[in-house]
Amino acid sequence: DTEVTQTPKHLVMGMTNKKSLKCEQHMGHRAMYWYKQKAKKPPELMFVYSYEKLSINESVPSRFSPECPNSSLLNLHLHALQPEDSALYLCASSFSGLATSSYEQYFGPGTRLTVT
Amino acid sequence: GENVEQHPSTLSVQEGDSAVIKCTYSDSASNYFPWYKQELGKGPQLIIDIRSNVGEKKDQRIAVTLNKTAKHFSLHITETQPEDSAVYFCAASIKGRTSYGKLTFGQGTILTVHP
Repeated sequence: DTEVTQTPKHLVMGMTNKKSLKCEQHMGHRAMYWYKQKAKKPPELMFVYSYEKLSINESVPSRFSPECPNSSLLNLHLHALQPEDSALYLCASSFSGLATSSYEQYFGPGTRLTVT
Repeated sequence: GENVEQHPSTLSVQEGDSAVIKCTYSDSASNYFPWYKQELGKGPQLIIDIRSNVGEKKDQRIAVTLNKTAKHFSLHITETQPEDSAVYFCAASIKGRTSYGKLTFGQGTILTVHP
């Protein structure tokens, strides 16, 4: 099973709202990722968690706040977003560890976010 | 940093024809090259990948080739079917330096297979 689940599927929020996106995997993966994808563009990396620690922050504005409560869950907290933040937000995971030969990243279906 | 270029940006074929998508990368240290298929309204799906110690890999109608010297890799789809219509992304990564894989994506190819 290579399933990554994301909730909600769609989210509409105002610029003053606070909302959270949720991602879950039960494959034993220890690296989890947040990507942002605009229409007709490739995914852009936002954050990487490795062993529940933030390893990469690709200079993402502070209105996006990631959280990794445990090895299976990844959250993205949203606050005071702008209309240009409207996009598909993708979560991915991969088996991690320097001894592994596997680097396959598996993506979830994404959350379609609209900021009004 | 790594840069991946992908061509063509759109590709239209008749059902049963072959389709080829090409990517070039800039960082000679890259050693892992996955291909993703993304259908409308869905997340990217890993369809095949290749490591730098292998020149070619096949999985049914899909194959990927890698030329390390020229720093390019290609996706080949034979006997295309309408359900192959999607956006295809190539990517490159350096495996082994960290405990996670940072992917650099190409810009994508919109493949349309006409019945």
